[in-house]
Amino acid sequence: QQQVKQSPQSLIVQKGGISIINCAYENTAFDYFPWYQQFPGKGPALLIAIRPDVSEKKEGRFTISFNKSAKQFSLHIMDSQPGDSATYFCAASRGSNFNKFYFGSGTKLNVKP
Amino acid sequence: NAGVMQNPRHLVRRRGQEARLRCSPMKGHSHVYWYRQLPEEGLKFMVYLQKENIIDESGMPKERFSAEFPKEGPSILRIQQVVRGDSAAYFCASSPPLDRGGYGYTFGSGTRLTVV
Repeated sequence: QQQVKQSPQSLIVQKGGISIINCAYENTAFDYFPWYQQFPGKGPALLIAIRPDVSEKKEGRFTISFNKSAKQFSLHIMDSQPGDSATYFCAASRGSNFNKFYFGSGTKLNVKP
Repeated sequence: NAGVMQNPRHLVRRRGQEARLRCSPMKGHSHVYWYRQLPEEGLKFMVYLQKENIIDESGMPKERFSAEFPKEGPSILRIQQVVRGDSAAYFCASSPPLDRGGYGYTFGSGTRLTVV
């Protein structure tokens, strides 16, 4: 049973466009939702994270939108650049075991010049 | 700070052999986590260790897999009698104690295991 579901599996966006990746979760005990960026041959790197007490968090061109009632959260990449081309993973963890992450299946983003 | 170091980067084993994957956490980090990533899938939690203790091994297969994090030296993920289904990328992450912010949680570049 996948605890975090992610879509789409792949995404092609033109340079300067907005990339949107969506995730949904089932376990209401989750209270920490990070997004990771992974380049080929590398490990995932933390991009941005949110807790359910806020509905949005923005860092530069990256924004997380969080809908607690719908149990959904999404990553928006504004002004997408070719250097953003990577695989993005959403994840979730819960307070009692906050360092055990449940990952989505990943979205491969390709930003065309 | 060299980051989380994993070796080898690539490992090829024949069916039935043993695979040993090593992970040296970042300096000052005493918590280590192992994840497995199958092709085109997300990472799946395997085990969480602190020095000389296994804290959570709920994601470890019941047979053939073991992990340790000794007082001295790297953490080791050991897979005995490997099968083709063990082929995957294995990632290690480390964090400092009580890193509830999550930003200290750092992944290594992984070991790609291929079983032939």
